[in-house]
Amino acid sequence: NAGVTQTPKFRVLKTGQSMTLLCAQDMNHEYMYWYRQDPGMGLRLIHYSVGEGTTAKGEVPDGYNVSRLKKQNFLLGLESAAPSQTSVYFCASSPQSGGADTQYFGPGTRLTVL
Amino acid sequence: AQKITQTQPGMFVQEKEAVTLDCTYDTSDPSYGLFWYKQPSSGEMIFLIYQGSYDQQNATEGRYSLNFQKARKSANLVISASQLGDSAMYFCAQAGYSTLTFGKGTMLLVSP
Repeated sequence: NAGVTQTPKFRVLKTGQSMTLLCAQDMNHEYMYWYRQDPGMGLRLIHYSVGEGTTAKGEVPDGYNVSRLKKQNFLLGLESAAPSQTSVYFCASSPQSGGADTQYFGPGTRLTVL
Repeated sequence: AQKITQTQPGMFVQEKEAVTLDCTYDTSDPSYGLFWYKQPSSGEMIFLIYQGSYDQQNATEGRYSLNFQKARKSANLVISASQLGDSAMYFCAQAGYSTLTFGKGTMLLVSP
């Protein structure tokens, strides 16, 4: 059972380039989340999805877009990368809402924008 | 808006001793959950323990227990008999209706 996987694990971009981070889960979870982690800041929610075809903004959504075309996948897009988006990105999923259900995290993607 | 405060940037403890990591939260939601996650140097986020706001007893999971004081809005993590492998970053998080809000974390170092 793979759980939550993220692709790629590492990436270096130049300012202005675009990329898509892929998150996949095989636990049939309804909810999926994208976070970023910066030093001294903890994890901050970028976007989340409460089911296939739905997305919602989190705490820091600017500069990112997401799509949930299939229940098992949640894509995070950067249309025009900026150095401020250098961070570690985590995807997570939970069976239902985060209220009482544990979120299970992927291994993270380390992104550097030069 | 929910707010989680972890006031200890770093903590030191000797092996086999107990340690308490502090967490306070601020919410007006009548129902909520509190989580603790561990992040070792390898980077993955590991779920440790969960406490529901209506749970009558403090949650326990092996060497981890959650000291939940609802009136004080605190949810401290207690690790008993610390081990070298407990050295990691620890995050407290509060669950609202659909999302988690994380604190900034406490770095725990366990010495031999």
